[in-house]
Amino acid sequence: QKEVEQDPGPLSVPEGAIVSLNCTYSNSAFQYFMWYRQYSRKGPELLMYTYSSGNKEDGRFTAQVDKSSKYISLFIRDSQPSDSATYLCAMNRRIQGAQKLVFGQGTRLTINP
Amino acid sequence: GAVVSQHPSWVICKSGTSVKIECRSLDFQATTMFWYRQFPKQSLMLMATSNEGSKATYEQGVEKDKFLINHASLTLSTLTVTSAHPEDSSFYICSARGLAGGKDTQYFGPGTRLTVL
Repeated sequence: QKEVEQDPGPLSVPEGAIVSLNCTYSNSAFQYFMWYRQYSRKGPELLMYTYSSGNKEDGRFTAQVDKSSKYISLFIRDSQPSDSATYLCAMNRRIQGAQKLVFGQGTRLTINP
Repeated sequence: GAVVSQHPSWVICKSGTSVKIECRSLDFQATTMFWYRQFPKQSLMLMATSNEGSKATYEQGVEKDKFLINHASLTLSTLTVTSAHPEDSSFYICSARGLAGGKDTQYFGPGTRLTVL
């Protein structure tokens, strides 16, 4: 079983829809939770950074963490074609004394005009 | 957000040659730098972790003699792919970890696309 599970999609929705992206994890040692957006042939860009259960909002993006269920989500409101990208969840914990990110597989999202 | 640059963004080389990729953190000091490899439609695979002034720690299955990493300063790390072969063709992404904007997290470079002929 992978430490972090993420449905790779692809996910295709019409412009303006609310998008829900999710990851589950198995290790309660994860301390920080992040969402990255990666456009084709580009490096990942940090979108959201959270460390506690609950919701965090930034513009059209809301990150949700439920540590009791080991489940995190990213919601995108009023989705735009420019939101089309691969979204990667990532979690941070100590592995052999060093802080390391563990990534989900990434979900490919397409917003159709 | 914090800025990490990579150079070159795209390189084509002949089989057997060596290629050096630079990674710089432009507006913060990176305590740790990471090198990832990404194949099409797949997630990032961590290759190695390096701290400034010390030897890199390589992930299992990554040849340290083939992928040489130098982390000479808190803002610069280099990855050299030695004696490159077509199977080394991939998207290489560096990441820098440090305190930027009040967050201790990782920021990624734009990636370097390597094609070995």
